[in-house]
Amino acid sequence: GDSVTQMEGPVTLSEEAFLTINCTYTATGYPSLFWYVQYPGEGLQLLLKATKADDKGSNKGFEATYRKETTSFHLEKGSVQVSDSAVYFCALSGADSNYQLIWGAGTKLIIKP
Amino acid sequence: GAGVSQSPRYKVAKRGQDVALRCDPISGHVSLFWYQQALGQGPEFLTYFQNEAQLDKSGLPSDRFFAERPEGSVSTLKIQRTQQEDSAVYLCASSYRDRDTEAFFGQGTRLTVV
Repeated sequence: GDSVTQMEGPVTLSEEAFLTINCTYTATGYPSLFWYVQYPGEGLQLLLKATKADDKGSNKGFEATYRKETTSFHLEKGSVQVSDSAVYFCALSGADSNYQLIWGAGTKLIIKP
Repeated sequence: GAGVSQSPRYKVAKRGQDVALRCDPISGHVSLFWYQQALGQGPEFLTYFQNEAQLDKSGLPSDRFFAERPEGSVSTLKIQRTQQEDSAVYLCASSYRDRDTEAFFGQGTRLTVV
């Protein structure tokens, strides 16, 4: 079945550092790919998405490109802020999971001032 | 309110007790999902409603779990005879269009079974 694997955390960076959180997936067909973020004490929020190969999703300075050849959807940000500290989840919705979201385990990001 | 609302936010149940978790989706949203999130893990799908119809309950872990959405708006997830392994955060999400996976999540109910 479909699955998502993302890098384990926590990831600890200094403010203004470059961020990459790796995400790879296994799915049949052409899934849609998502990054969700969960700030402390809050619910999950959609951060960005891409629905077809080579699409780039972007929001709040974060970007991720749908790479079908490497089955990846890595999250990047050029200069992180303390306020980016949160848990980040990679997820997919594919042919086998039409309306369900299949989730990675989450990566906790800690940004130090 | 404008978002998905879940209640209670926290619930402590004694093993064997029945619990009911409530979800108020965003008004007009057709789709409603329940997910279970164990500590340190990503959410796992439990069940899906399109309006009042429960179209998929394949993720419910046992027949002790039951969900309903009788009028196509508020939904209740009921767990009978709770066990320690039921301890988790239960997330509700809703979306506007049928099978639109850009869903909006509530803050979840943290269930602890002691």
